[in-house]
Amino acid sequence: KAGVTQTPRYLIKTRGQQVTLSCSPISGHRSVSWYQQTPGQGLQFLFEYFSETQRNKGNFPGRFSGRQFSNSRSEMNVSTLELGDSALYLCASSLGGGGTYNEQFFGPGTRLTVL
Amino acid sequence: QQQVKQSPQSLIVQKGGISIINCAYENTAFDYFPWYQQFPGKGPALLIAIRPDVSEKKEGRFTISFNKSAKQFSLHIMDSQPGDSATYFCAAITSGSARQLTFGSGTQLTVLP
Repeated sequence: KAGVTQTPRYLIKTRGQQVTLSCSPISGHRSVSWYQQTPGQGLQFLFEYFSETQRNKGNFPGRFSGRQFSNSRSEMNVSTLELGDSALYLCASSLGGGGTYNEQFFGPGTRLTVL
Repeated sequence: QQQVKQSPQSLIVQKGGISIINCAYENTAFDYFPWYQQFPGKGPALLIAIRPDVSEKKEGRFTISFNKSAKQFSLHIMDSQPGDSATYFCAAITSGSARQLTFGSGTQLTVLP
C-alpha cells in the first residue's frame, strides 16, 4: 500500500501571499489530520477532516483552513502568510471510524518558508 | 497550554546503553499514549503505544512504562543502536470526539558508536 503523500515537498512564499498544500491519504483511510511542526512550538494540531467534514479544529487563526474531497484527499490553505507560518506541515491519515483510536500515519510533510 | 511535558530535550547514549525518555500529562481524559520516532526529512512514525489499563508494554528493544496514578509514562530503548538516533515524541489522545494528538516537545536522541 502506498503511504501518505504530500505535495509540494518544499514551498517558498512571501508575506501576504496565500498557499495551498495537498495531502493524499492511504487508500481506504477516511480521516485526514493536519499538524504544524516548528522548532519553537513543536507539533501542533491544526484540524481533522472525516468524510468531507471538519471534525476537530486546533487553536489556530482563521487564516488556516482546509477541506476534504469525496476521495478523502485533503487540502490545507493558509491566507495572508506571515513569517511565523514558516514550518513543516504534516498530514496524517487514519481509518477514522468508530470510537476507538485508529493509528495515524504521517506523510513526509511540506516545508513552507515565508520570506 | 502544554498538556504533555517531555524530558529530556536531548539525550546522548553510548551504543548498547539504555535510553530513557519521560513524559507527564495533565488531562485525565487521555486514554491512548503513542510514541513516535522521526528521522530528519521524514514524518513521525508510530513506534509503540499503550493504553492506561496496562502498566508496561514491550516490543523488541522498546518498552513503555505507564504510571496512571502519577500521570507519567516513559520510553525505554534497550541496547541502543546508532540507527536509533532520531527525535522521539510522546503523545496522548482521547478516543472520543476530540481525536487530536497532543504531542510532547520531543527528545533528540544520539547514540554514539
